[in-house]
Amino acid sequence: GAGVSQSPSNKVTEKGKDVELRCDPISGHTALYWYRQRLGQGLEFLIYFQGNSAPDKSGLPSDRFSAERTGESVSTLTIQRTQQEDSAVYLCASSFRSEAFFGQGTRLTVV
Amino acid sequence: SQKIEQNSEALNIQEGKTATLTCNYTNYSPAYLQWYRQDPGRGPVFLLLIRENEKEKRKERLKVTFDTTLKQSLFHITASQPADSATYLCARRRDAGGTSYGKLTFGQGTILTVHP
Repeated sequence: GAGVSQSPSNKVTEKGKDVELRCDPISGHTALYWYRQRLGQGLEFLIYFQGNSAPDKSGLPSDRFSAERTGESVSTLTIQRTQQEDSAVYLCASSFRSEAFFGQGTRLTVV
Repeated sequence: SQKIEQNSEALNIQEGKTATLTCNYTNYSPAYLQWYRQDPGRGPVFLLLIRENEKEKRKERLKVTFDTTLKQSLFHITASQPADSATYLCARRRDAGGTSYGKLTFGQGTILTVHP
């Protein structure tokens, strides 16, 4: 596709359930980022993949959060045992050299 | 650790005036700084990039400066319009070695409102 695609666009889940968020980056982009944005807040770094290097997981807030990336392709962000504080927009971005291209985000609501 | 800060949470100006947004960083100067625009409910969109050895960069009504002495970048919108109202984010990319090479860190953003 022409841009970064994220699915689902909206997700409502019950507290305690697991959720999986998907990101399809722009083809050929070696770098992929996940950010979390709470209402009215800035972008909180979660995890960064660069090619075949080990990912930078330093932003993951707890061990309930994990992410995978298949080669230089699709990435999934998994949140286990969701809590209300996990409610936010989860943004994915990809880049090749410098500028990052963002998806529209997944709005997660934990009820 | 490398930090990046945007001092103003919000900026309100009148149409036609120049908006100036500030981005400050700590530690060593990054190879370049980036500026993005984010509209409500949307992902950020890249606007401009300025390199360490560039003092100024322009694109239409936008101008970015990079002062490595002050460790600061200024983002200007001249002849501002209500359509310029949005959140503006600056970002630095880690350009040291290791697994974090290329990692993008964003400031908290400045909400710009241009009043007609």
